[in-house]
Amino acid sequence: RKEVEQDPGPFNVPEGATVAFNCTYSNSASQSFFWYRQDCRKEPKLLMSVYSSGNEDGRFTAQLNRASQYISLLIRDSKLSDSATYLCVVNQAGTALIFGKGTTLSVSS
Amino acid sequence: GAGVSQSPSNKVTEKGKDVELRCDPISGHTALYWYRQSLGQGLEFLIYFQGNSAPDKSGLPSDRFSAERTGGSVSTLTIQRTQQEDSAVYLCASSPDRRRTGELFFGEGSRLTVL
Repeated sequence: RKEVEQDPGPFNVPEGATVAFNCTYSNSASQSFFWYRQDCRKEPKLLMSVYSSGNEDGRFTAQLNRASQYISLLIRDSKLSDSATYLCVVNQAGTALIFGKGTTLSVSS
Repeated sequence: GAGVSQSPSNKVTEKGKDVELRCDPISGHTALYWYRQSLGQGLEFLIYFQGNSAPDKSGLPSDRFSAERTGGSVSTLTIQRTQQEDSAVYLCASSPDRRRTGELFFGEGSRLTVL
């Protein structure tokens, strides 16, 4: 079983749509959780951290379910510029971050 | 610039040759990571340096791979006797401190092609 699993997609949605990505992780000792964004042929960049109580940053909402070892990212009112690959990332304290393979989103007009 | 700098940006080599990839992290960042990404694949962890602690080498795929970090700053990833399956983009990232270890700042990567 892979440490971090994501549905690879692609998710093809029209502008204005709401889309949700899911991620599961296998190590129950994981302590920190993040979503990164990677544009085509570019380096990954931190999108947002994921907190136990859930957190929101504009159109983006991240949630964590520790019992189910599940993380989600919700994007509301999708924009063309949201087209990218979204990477789920987990780590235990003091160790390297483990990246999922990513979910590809394509937003069309 | 203030970002993570990697060199070379592109490297084409013949099978069996050794290559060295360099990473200059952001000044003052204590953590440094190497990952690689093959075409259409996710990031594969290779090695992690944190301050003066012994590096976490658990991701290195074989003993042909090694890395060092001199003076807590610049890092070099060395691949000996390269194989075609080593072809990938090698990404370096640095992080400010332990409390913010989720915030990685990546370089643009070194694209390695082994013929």
